[in-house]
Amino acid sequence: EDKVVQSPLSLVVHEGDTVTLNCSYEVTNFRSLLWYKQEKKAPTFLFMLTSSGIEKKSGRLSSILDKKELFSILNITATQTGDSAIYLCASHNRDDKIIFGKGTRLHILP
Amino acid sequence: EPEVTQTPSHQVTQMGQEVILRCVPISNHLYFYWYRQILGQKVEFLVSFYNNEISEKSEIFDDQFSVERPDGSNFTLKIRSTKLEDSAMYFCASSNTDHNQPQHFGDGTRLSIL
Repeated sequence: EDKVVQSPLSLVVHEGDTVTLNCSYEVTNFRSLLWYKQEKKAPTFLFMLTSSGIEKKSGRLSSILDKKELFSILNITATQTGDSAIYLCASHNRDDKIIFGKGTRLHILP
Repeated sequence: EPEVTQTPSHQVTQMGQEVILRCVPISNHLYFYWYRQILGQKVEFLVSFYNNEISEKSEIFDDQFSVERPDGSNFTLKIRSTKLEDSAMYFCASSNTDHNQPQHFGDGTRLSIL
């Protein structure tokens, strides 16, 4: 059965800390891995990763995929209270099926 | 920036009634999706739709669910006979070309079944 597993489920850090969120996957016909940030309602897109070893960056956020070990990480440096959210990882396979992980609930303390 | 819009934002319906959730994807997008998120649980894939037909669906998407693109702009999800366990937030998403483009999500419709 295809699955996406995120860890930790919950994380509390102080502002300014760096965090690493993990996502492992077991998916048939894998195509890409996506990271989303979910605050109050809809997930907002962060990254799409299709190739191993190529880091994608957006400001203080970065992510990388390892297709051999079947995992991805999302790094956030110099965290701010506005980074508090649920971070979702999802796999997208070639049959156009998307599976989300349960998310990591990140809380940044001022 | 163009966005996916969903209506209504909140729908309350009696169990057994039919509901139609509406979505207007971004205008030049070709791939459309529905997801649901039961309160406190993870986002679950329901169905993907391309070229006027379902391309993939999950085990959740049983015979009580259907999707339609009736007029070239709306993308609807119909639940024929709602059950209490259908209460959830339903998200619509769309993407531009093929699977190399990310999906853009609407703000969701909160469906409450009484």
